[in-house]
Amino acid sequence: TQLLEQSPQFLSIQEGENLTVYCNSSSVFSSLQWYRQEPGEGPVLLVTVVTGGEVKKLKRLTFQFGDARKDSSLHITAAQPGDTGLYLCAGAPRETGANNLFFGTGTRLTVIP
Amino acid sequence: NAGVMQNPRHLVRRRGQEARLRCSPVKGHSHVYWYRQLPEEGLKFMVYLQKENIIDESGMPKERFSAEFPKEGPSILRIQQVVRGDSAAYFCASSPRHGADYGYTFGSGTRLTVV
Repeated sequence: TQLLEQSPQFLSIQEGENLTVYCNSSSVFSSLQWYRQEPGEGPVLLVTVVTGGEVKKLKRLTFQFGDARKDSSLHITAAQPGDTGLYLCAGAPRETGANNLFFGTGTRLTVIP
Repeated sequence: NAGVMQNPRHLVRRRGQEARLRCSPVKGHSHVYWYRQLPEEGLKFMVYLQKENIIDESGMPKERFSAEFPKEGPSILRIQQVVRGDSAAYFCASSPRHGADYGYTFGSGTRLTVV
């Protein structure tokens, strides 16, 4: 059983389109993080959301943390080929008391020029 | 280079050999994490270390795998008597503070292939 489920698993869109990817869990998190991983490289941190209902913007990327702190979404406006990559959400569930990050299953995004 | 440095980038071992993966964290970071990533799968936590101490090794197999982070030098992930199922990308990450609320800086990984 995955602690963090991401959907869709794969997404292929045309340049200029908008998209949203989701990260869901039955657990409560004190914060959630989003990373992007390109082939052959390690994940790179994009953002950390810490407050329920919080919305953070990073240029064309908008991140939202659910009110109940169990889910998050990433919306990309006018996608570009440079957005292609594996998007991972990550967090440490409160109930486990763990201090290491658990990663979601990932959404593999391909933006076609 | 201020990032996490991992070496080697690629490592090929025959079944039964030992694999040693090295990780130098960001300067000033004293918390190191090792993750394993299998093809088409997400990152799986293996072990969390601070200088000279293993804090959480709940994700690491009990046999053949060990990790250390000595006072001087890089963190080492050691896999003894490798088997084909150990083939994966191994990533090291570091952070300046304790706790998963702080972002991790990842290295580029070591891709281990067992033949």
